[in-house]
Amino acid sequence: GIQVEQSPPDLILQEGANSTLRCNFSDSVNNLQWFHQNPWGQLINLFYIPSGTKQNGRLSATTVATERYSLLYISSSQTTDSGVYFCAVKRWIQGAQKLVFGQGTRLTINP
Amino acid sequence: DAGVTQSPTHLIKTRGQQVTLRCSPKSGHDTVSWYQQALGQGPQFIFQYYEEEERQRGNFPDRFSGHQFPNYSSELNVNALLLGDSALYLCASSAWGDEQFFGPGTRLTVL
Repeated sequence: GIQVEQSPPDLILQEGANSTLRCNFSDSVNNLQWFHQNPWGQLINLFYIPSGTKQNGRLSATTVATERYSLLYISSSQTTDSGVYFCAVKRWIQGAQKLVFGQGTRLTINP
Repeated sequence: DAGVTQSPTHLIKTRGQQVTLRCSPKSGHDTVSWYQQALGQGPQFIFQYYEEEERQRGNFPDRFSGHQFPNYSSELNVNALLLGDSALYLCASSAWGDEQFFGPGTRLTVL
């Protein structure tokens, strides 16, 4: 099956710093989602981005489907940005869709 | 507009018991997918329901079964619980083929 790899696995930054999280995938995909998982386990949708670039406030994402990777940018980090960030690729298989997740990047923002 | 809801929030069971988890999708969504997230891992796809039928299944044994009701809500049943079934169980809803949104999860502990 398709492999999804995220890097780095852990990232520790000071408040105000910028960061780039990467997601590589091993095969073509129909779509890609970025999530932030808060300490209580809730997955919060950040971006739904099969290709191109999207921005939402301090966050932006770029997916280059032909090269099988996506990047999540966080600018001017705040302590509330801490948590685990997941990318998940969507594949249509046998008439149904499923998300395949990476292992996540754990981001810690220190005050 | 209520998001995806799941119940119960937490559950403690003993080995060999059976458990039922419940999920109500967002208004307007007709597809429900279930995922299992072990500690420190990304979510793993269990199965997806659309039009009250299981459309696709991940690599999970038959002890895991589900159901979707005419109002699009869904149940996940796990029989003969094992210690390894301890995890966060996440439900996601979507319009067919569209972006998936997750509920807060049910944390299952098997003793």
